[in-house]
Amino acid sequence: DSGVTQTPKHLITATGQRVTLRCSPRSGDLSVYWYQQSLDQGLQFLIHYYNGEERAKGNILERFSAQQFPDLHSELNLSSLELGDSALYFCASSVATSAHTGELFFGEGSRLTVL
Amino acid sequence: EDKVVQSPLSLVVHEGDTVTLNCSYEVTNFRSLLWYKQEKKAPTFLFMLTSSGIEKKSGRLSSILDKKELFSILNITATQTGDSAVYLCAVVRGSRLTFGEGTQLTVNP
Repeated sequence: DSGVTQTPKHLITATGQRVTLRCSPRSGDLSVYWYQQSLDQGLQFLIHYYNGEERAKGNILERFSAQQFPDLHSELNLSSLELGDSALYFCASSVATSAHTGELFFGEGSRLTVL
Repeated sequence: EDKVVQSPLSLVVHEGDTVTLNCSYEVTNFRSLLWYKQEKKAPTFLFMLTSSGIEKKSGRLSSILDKKELFSILNITATQTGDSAVYLCAVVRGSRLTFGEGTQLTVNP
């Protein structure tokens, strides 16, 4: 158990809908990262927050948004869902300000299926 | 664009064999390279490599980085069925980890 909690574990929804994925980082970790893992693209970096502030953006679509709250949990909002958004969404946390200075701990992921 | 290529993409061996997994990269402003093991869901951290030529070791696993030739290898000796997993290599630039596609290792009894 990495100490990173993600909910829900599984989610099935329809195209055009909106969902929110939630992540609670390890106690004491200030950085939260979101990654998308689909069958044909591997793990793709979406976004990084540090202590409530956005630090870096990766290949995150405009239909997606995220935030980190004062209690350090983070939410990833996915809207106008398309079939291609079906994937495993991982949250990872670390104590460090950026990935190169500390190990990332991954949650178990949220499996999103868009029908 | 950052690029990480792992080889082979899949590998099937017998218990007791030694395997070598490869990771090559093209990254501007390289900071470090990480290896992760992904069994069912969450990737778990194995090694972080920042300096060339210094081997990191943990039990039967070891890894080394060559910053001149832009690659890293992960060795697993005396493989066990519990080593069956996808092994991911990632390079770090700032906040961004760029992952390779992974090597699916299957260890048969």
